[in-house]
Amino acid sequence: KQEVTQIPAALSVPEGENLVLNCSFTDSAIYNLQWFRQDPGKGLTSLLLIQSSQREQTSGRLNASLDKSSGRSTLYIAASQPGDSATYLCAVSPTGANSKLTFGKGITLSVRP
Amino acid sequence: EAGVAQSPRYKIIEKRQSVAFWCNPISGHATLYWYQQILGQGPKLLIQFQNNGVVDDSQLPKDRFSAERLKGVDSTLKIQPAKLEDSAVYLCASSLGWTTYNEQFFGPGTRLTVL
Repeated sequence: KQEVTQIPAALSVPEGENLVLNCSFTDSAIYNLQWFRQDPGKGLTSLLLIQSSQREQTSGRLNASLDKSSGRSTLYIAASQPGDSATYLCAVSPTGANSKLTFGKGITLSVRP
Repeated sequence: EAGVAQSPRYKIIEKRQSVAFWCNPISGHATLYWYQQILGQGPKLLIQFQNNGVVDDSQLPKDRFSAERLKGVDSTLKIQPAKLEDSAVYLCASSLGWTTYNEQFFGPGTRLTVL
């Protein structure tokens, strides 16, 4: 059974800092990995999707990397801003037909002005 | 392009009452998902539809939860009777297809509080 872990559960940083959010998974037989952002009381917004054949994806100040062999992914946020404050979740989908996602519990990020 | 729509956004009920949530997926998306997200946890898949057929309902508590997707478009998730532990955010998502390379798009969710 796939398990996704995100540690720590919460993180507080000063504005402008570069930071890394970690995600680990137990079963390396994944098709893709996604990073989502969730604002309080809101749904999930997809940030980056990495196919298993890829090593990383970039969007603006965000860069996500994937190392299937070690079961790890990182989300790098450059020059953090207070508007980046949210919960960040990673999710993996398995190889095979079904697109069922398994989520981690998320990391709640607070960026202090 | 309109996103996934859900209603209501918030619902407060007493235990043992019934409640229903509605979801309208992105136009043209054949696959629809219902997730349950308990506070402090990641979303957990309850049920997955491909058109109006069920692909996966292995984690749906079938003694109290039911879902339908008539005509392969809108979907309704029902809880009857509700328990305190059903307090959660219920998220609906949709994708073009059900296979693993299809990206899922999420709605804003319905926050349920059971008193």
